[in-house]
Order: sequence, then C-alpha cells, then structure tokens
Amino acid sequence: DSGVTQTPKHLITATGQRVTLRCSPRSGDLSVYWYQQSLDQGLQFLIQYYNGEERAKGNILERFSAQQFPDLHSELNLSSLELGDSALYFCASSVGTGVTGELFFGEGSRLTVL
Amino acid sequence: AQTVTQSQPEMSVQEAETVTLSCTYDTSESNYYLFWYKQPPSRQMILVIRQEAYKQQNATENRFSVNFQKAAKSFSLKISDSQLGDTAMYFCAFMMDQTGANNLFFGTGTRLTVIP
Repeated sequence: DSGVTQTPKHLITATGQRVTLRCSPRSGDLSVYWYQQSLDQGLQFLIQYYNGEERAKGNILERFSAQQFPDLHSELNLSSLELGDSALYFCASSVGTGVTGELFFGEGSRLTVL
Repeated sequence: AQTVTQSQPEMSVQEAETVTLSCTYDTSESNYYLFWYKQPPSRQMILVIRQEAYKQQNATENRFSVNFQKAAKSFSLKISDSQLGDTAMYFCAFMMDQTGANNLFFGTGTRLTVIP
C-alpha cells in the first residue's frame, strides 16, 4: 500500500460526458501528479501540483483540468469525453518539488468511455 | 525534450534464470535520475530501483541491478534468480534534476513473463 488513494477505481461513462477523478496523497506529501496510461502504453504525464499551485504541465488536453485543494487532495476533471480517453489514470505524490527521486503511485482509476 | 525508449515489448525467462531488460534515453541534461518501475497485474506502480546520473556506481537492490552507461545513455535492468512474482510490465523512467518540476518520463514498457 503506497498510501495514495484514488477513487473511483472503475468508471464507465458515455461519450460527451464529464467525470471527476479524485486523489488523496500520502500523509505529508505536498506534490501531486496525474498520469494517463492508455492500453499497453507507458504512462504519459499530465500535470503536477505543489501545495495547491500548478508546477508543471505535460500533454494534458484542454478538455481536461485539475486542481489541488487546501487539504492537498486533488481532482482531475475530464469533460466532453471521447472514446480515446479510455485509459487508466494514475495519481502519484511526493514530499515536495525537490528531487527526492521517488513518486508514490495510487492504484489508478480505470475509465471506460462507451 | 526527454525521451525514453524500451525496444523489447515482451520478454520471457525461466524461473531462477537471469534476464536483462534494455532502456535507452535521450536528454541534453547532465544531471538526472533514472528509475525502473514494475507494474504487476494488480496495476500498482512499484519502484524497483533508482540511479542518480552523477553516481558512477551501478545501483543494486537484492536481485535487481542496473548497468548504467551515461555516455551511451543506456540504463538496463538485470533480474537475477527470476521468480514467478517478477512477472509484470517493467517501465524505465527518467526524471530531470530540476527543483519545481520533477515529473517522470516513461518508456513504453517491457512485458516480462517468468516461466515455471
């Protein structure tokens, strides 16, 4: 158990809909990262937050947005969903923004868009 | 831009034997970190081993060791005495030594099957 909690574990929805994925980082971790893993692919970095502020942005679509709340949990919002958005979405956390070298991953939220 | 390449989509190894997974990367940075993550069928991403680029000594963690060739930008993972529990996807990953944005860049993975 990494200490990072993601909900829901599974989500099935239709094209055009909007969903929210939630992540609670490990106790004491200030940084949260979101990654997308499409079928049989590596993880693609989406976005990073540190203590409520956006720190880095990767290949995140404009239809996607995220935020980190004062209690440090984070939400990833996916809107106008398309079939290609079906993927496993991982959240990870780390202590800070310095290079400690280790990110701790949650178990992922599997999104299926029909 | 940083890229990570894993050229072996699938590999298999007999239980108790040794296997080496390949990884190459491309970067203009001189200081960075490299990682191998394991993703078993449970989907959990588990850190296997890490290597700091400024260290010449190859990292080892029990049965897992790396061969880090900085000039060649190569970072292979050797698994000795393979066990059934080693069956998983293995991802090579790169992180810049940059305060503020320490996200990981992943390769596409190698699916390893340990055969009894």
